[in-house]
Amino acid sequence: DTGVSQNPRHKITKRGQNVTFRCDPISEHNRLYWYRQTLGQGPEFLTYFQNEAQLEKSRLLSDRFSAERPKGSFSTLEIQRTEQGDSAMYLCASSPFGRAAYEQYFGPGTRLTVT
Amino acid sequence: DQQVKQNSPSLSVQEGRISILNCDYTNSMFDYFLWYKKYPAEGPTFLISISSIKDKNEDGRFTVFLNKSAKHLSLHIVPSQPGDSAVYFCAARAITQGGSEKLVFGKGTKLTVNP
Repeated sequence: DTGVSQNPRHKITKRGQNVTFRCDPISEHNRLYWYRQTLGQGPEFLTYFQNEAQLEKSRLLSDRFSAERPKGSFSTLEIQRTEQGDSAMYLCASSPFGRAAYEQYFGPGTRLTVT
Repeated sequence: DQQVKQNSPSLSVQEGRISILNCDYTNSMFDYFLWYKKYPAEGPTFLISISSIKDKNEDGRFTVFLNKSAKHLSLHIVPSQPGDSAVYFCAARAITQGGSEKLVFGKGTKLTVNP
């Protein structure tokens, strides 16, 4: 069990470019979450997967954002036509089947900087 | 609308003394409350939780107290150690309209334990 991993750890992109982040949850965790954290704030919920099904999306997730979890394993978060306001830390978390989802295990995050 | 509030951005204590971190919430439908610890360049790490039907939960040096009538919880760390220096996030579990679960976080309190 190596924990939740996220790649890349840092991403610098120019406004208008597309970016994609990857999250590998703890193996056999069927629940996966994406959060966004900006400076001075706590993590804010973006979206939730149970296995491969995306069951919940926050209104923070605009049409430029899309998340997938093919085959219920790793997940990707894509941001199209990035804007400076997208600059943030993007955190992925997972939790195991059969336990209350409140105990979520977080990855180290991907820090996005849009110039 | 900040449903989980941590009104103290920072706290400084001496090694060996008690650290008390506070958190207030507004949504009476939250059923679990959690504390996460975050070191720089790492994701949040789950520390301790408490069910809304309890008023105290203890784990080693960490104790969480819940005052449901006041919608207030606190984390006590006794004795405080320099390694406890980190940002502490209070979080609450919410059930979404779609029946999914998500965590709602406060803005965090930066704890510094001085040797």
